[in-house]
Amino acid sequence: KNEVEQSPQNLTAQEGEFITINCSYSVGISALHWLQQHPGGGIVSLFMLSSGKKKHGRLIATINIQEKHSSLHITASHPRDSAVYICAVGSRMDSNYQLIWGAGTKLIIKP
Amino acid sequence: NAGVTQTPKFQVLKTGQSMTLQCAQDMNHEYMSWYRQDPGMGLRLIHYSVGAGITDQGEVPNGYNVSRSTTEDFPLRLLSAAPSQTSVYFCASSYSNGVSSYNSPLHFGNGTRLTVT
Repeated sequence: KNEVEQSPQNLTAQEGEFITINCSYSVGISALHWLQQHPGGGIVSLFMLSSGKKKHGRLIATINIQEKHSSLHITASHPRDSAVYICAVGSRMDSNYQLIWGAGTKLIIKP
Repeated sequence: NAGVTQTPKFQVLKTGQSMTLQCAQDMNHEYMSWYRQDPGMGLRLIHYSVGAGITDQGEVPNGYNVSRSTTEDFPLRLLSAAPSQTSVYFCASSYSNGVSSYNSPLHFGNGTRLTVT
């Protein structure tokens, strides 16, 4: 079992829909990151959070430390939101801090 | 404000050739790292550095060397390229609070697409 699991793996939705991408983890964490990668493009950090909720524009990230779960929401989705969304957690393992990566969720928003 | 600059963007090598991928950041970040990204797989850590003069191996270090002589630069060297090293390479940096390098946002370069024939 992977230590960081994202769901769904792939998601196709219509423009305007509310999008939720989930990230579950099985290790203790110091921080959780959400990143975005457009096709053929670079990787951009969207959020880093260790508790509660953060909002930036139409993007909202939440984390529940007790349940070891985070969600990334996109309101009023737009075709330009089409990208791979990646969850990663910073965790202390074997006395070293490591960044453990999820496999990513590929999102396609159709006009 | 350049952020993280990676060069080159594209490179084609023949098996056995050597090359250096360059990475520079202008944010005075202590932490720098190199990842490779292969189709259908997540990012895999090759090498990382928590400060000038300090480097360490990641998940997939074989076939790669790094050095960190300055805070700004973190080059990745392929000494003898192999087809298995065909991949997209990303350099990333972040501020380190002295405890964990992963409690700050990561800044990525635009990637280098390497093909080894």
